[in-house]
Amino acid sequence: EAGVAQSPRYKIIEKRQSVAFWCNPISGHATLYWYQQILGQGPKLLIQFQNNGVVDDSQLPKDRFSAERLKGVDSTLKIQPAKLEDSAVYLCASSLPLAGATDTQYFGPGTRLTVL
Amino acid sequence: AQSVTQLGSHVSVSEGALVLLRCNYSSSVPPYLFWYVQYPNQGLQLLLKYTSAATLVKGINGFEAEFKKSETSFHLTKPSAHMSDAAEYFCAVSGGATGTASKLTFGTGTRLQVTL
Repeated sequence: EAGVAQSPRYKIIEKRQSVAFWCNPISGHATLYWYQQILGQGPKLLIQFQNNGVVDDSQLPKDRFSAERLKGVDSTLKIQPAKLEDSAVYLCASSLPLAGATDTQYFGPGTRLTVL
Repeated sequence: AQSVTQLGSHVSVSEGALVLLRCNYSSSVPPYLFWYVQYPNQGLQLLLKYTSAATLVKGINGFEAEFKKSETSFHLTKPSAHMSDAAEYFCAVSGGATGTASKLTFGTGTRLQVTL
């Protein structure tokens, strides 16, 4: 079974530039998550989708971050414009919505973003 | 609101020694707890999870964890460390508002070093 795919794996940009990350979840997984992992910290949830609808985006900085999940499969996370503090690893995860709180999330390899 | 605290950002053990990584949780509802492992430049992989079925949970790679409600703890152990266990370990708790029950809140992680 193929895992969660993410691209690119690495991205270096200058502040105020734009960047986009792509995620392809495990086939059949209706729930998709984007996490931000700053160096030395645990992942922090940015946004959660159920199919193509947003379930939770309470921690997404909406003035510069946006995400979409067209057709309920692939997802794109965008930052425009980027700030230095956005340097982090962006992780995508997916899960089957079986039992809610006990669902296992499967993570992709992440995209490491460096903002100069 | 749910939260977890991981005591010790770095733990070093000798190969063959006991591994003990500490995690304490805070939750206003019965918690569901997870341990994930992250190898360098990779995403997170589930080691084990507590779903209230049994307080002693066995996971992959010889790891296990015991849920202790009286101590609000979910410490991760392995009887004998192997060099391949060197990685970052994250404790997480799930739960949120209706519809976001699967949301994970992570601790800050513990880096395990295994020496010869």
